Amino acid sequence: DQQVKQNSPSLSVQEGRISILNCDYTNSMFDYFLWYKKYPAEGPTFLISISSIKDKNEDGRFTVFLNKSAKHLSLHIVPSQPGDSAVYFCAASDATSGTYKYIFGTGTRLKVLA
Amino acid sequence: DAGVTQSPTHLIKTRGQHVTLRCSPISGHKSVSWYQQVLGQGPQFIFQYYEKEERGRGNFPDRFSARQFPNYSSELNVNALLLGDSALYLCASRYSGGNYGYTFGSGTRLTVV
Repeated sequence: DQQVKQNSPSLSVQEGRISILNCDYTNSMFDYFLWYKKYPAEGPTFLISISSIKDKNEDGRFTVFLNKSAKHLSLHIVPSQPGDSAVYFCAASDATSGTYKYIFGTGTRLKVLA
Repeated sequence: DAGVTQSPTHLIKTRGQHVTLRCSPISGHKSVSWYQQVLGQGPQFIFQYYEKEERGRGNFPDRFSARQFPNYSSELNVNALLLGDSALYLCASRYSGGNYGYTFGSGTRLTVV
C-alpha cells in the first residue's frame, strides 16, 4: 500500500519557467514532509521540508506547499535551471512515532530544457 | 567536512551468500538509518539506530540485521541473499536536533547473481 504517491513519473520544463512537482499521501498521522533530489550515482540530497503546522515554506528558488485537507503537497522551483534536472522524491514522516522513518514516493524525473 | 561515507560502493554476490555493508555518519550525527532502493522505486526504510540502539525496523525479513558501534558507524548485514535483494543500499545520518532532514550517502550497489 503506497502511502506516499508521486503520480507523475516525469516532467519536462523549459529553462526559466516554473516546475511544479506533486505528491499525495494517505496517512493522516504524517506530520513532517520533505523533498529530496537525486542525481545518478549519488545519494538523495535534502532540499526542503515542511511541518504540518505550516502550509508553505520557502528556500531560495524552492517553495513547498502543503494542503492538509487534501493530503497533498507540491514543490515549486522558480526559475527552473538545467542543473535542476534530477529525480525528485517526496517523503513523509510521523515525528510523534519516535522513529525517524521516512516513507518515500516513487519519484518524479524532472528535465529542464535549455 | 566528510559526508556520509559508505563502503563498498559496488558489490556482486551469489545467491545464498552473506553480505556486510558499512556506513560512517557525519561527525556529530548519532542517528543512522538504512534504506533499500530498488530500480524505479523510492527508498524503503530498513532500520534506524540511535545511540547504538535500534529505534525502528521496516518491513524486511529477519535475514536483514544491523548494528551501530560506539563511534556511531553502522553495519547492515544480509544473510541468505536472494536475487530480489539486488538494490542500492543507502545509509543516512542526522543530528539529533535542529534540521530534521537526513543526509544520505551515495549508497552501495549490491547485485546478487
